[in-house]
Amino acid sequence: DIQMTQSPSSLSASVGDRVTITCRASQSVSDYLSWYQQKPGKAPKLLIYAASTLQSGVPSRFSGSGSGTDFTLTISSLQPEDFASYYCLQSYGAPWTFGQGTNVEI
Amino acid sequence: EVQLVETGGGLIQPGGSLRLSCAASGFVVSSNYMNWVRQAPGKGLEWVSVVYSGGSTYYADSVKGRFTISRDNSKNTLFLQMNSLRAEDTAVYYCASGTAYYSLAYWGQGTLVTVSS
Repeated sequence: DIQMTQSPSSLSASVGDRVTITCRASQSVSDYLSWYQQKPGKAPKLLIYAASTLQSGVPSRFSGSGSGTDFTLTISSLQPEDFASYYCLQSYGAPWTFGQGTNVEI
Repeated sequence: EVQLVETGGGLIQPGGSLRLSCAASGFVVSSNYMNWVRQAPGKGLEWVSVVYSGGSTYYADSVKGRFTISRDNSKNTLFLQMNSLRAEDTAVYYCASGTAYYSLAYWGQGTLVTVSS
């Protein structure tokens, strides 16, 4: 099974900061890697798919990069509505696996 | 507009069974990959199961042999049959799917399953 290691598990940041979250796969997942944002009590929301493709309607301050085993989600200028939890998901091979999540706090 | 609506959650005793349903509208269940994802209270997301459009099914090791994913194409509905439930299966269960690169663009609102005596 493919393991996803996401870091950091939490971070504190301020409005306007550049934030980077990473996910590392235990083996290549090609670019079958997506990123999700989740706010308390809500279903997750897709931000990025195919490692670097921005989902329709998602602000351009979100970007994704990487291929193979190492991936990054970047928020170029953190906004108040971006304080949330973020998860990566590999869907290259079943069983699919999520990263452990990153809580972005003020 | 795509809508996924889960039902069937509730309180169940350890060892019991429960069947979750996910009714889809604006979206054809049989033509897409359909997933179940769960989240235990205060914890992260855990992928549970997928059924691909061709019918192949896969499960997380934590539920293999106890849970069964299926779909009713005539009702455009996804199911998750959960047997031999354990306390650690307590979670909000989400139905999720999408159309691009096996990502999950569409999510239901979730249904809470509580396994407790």
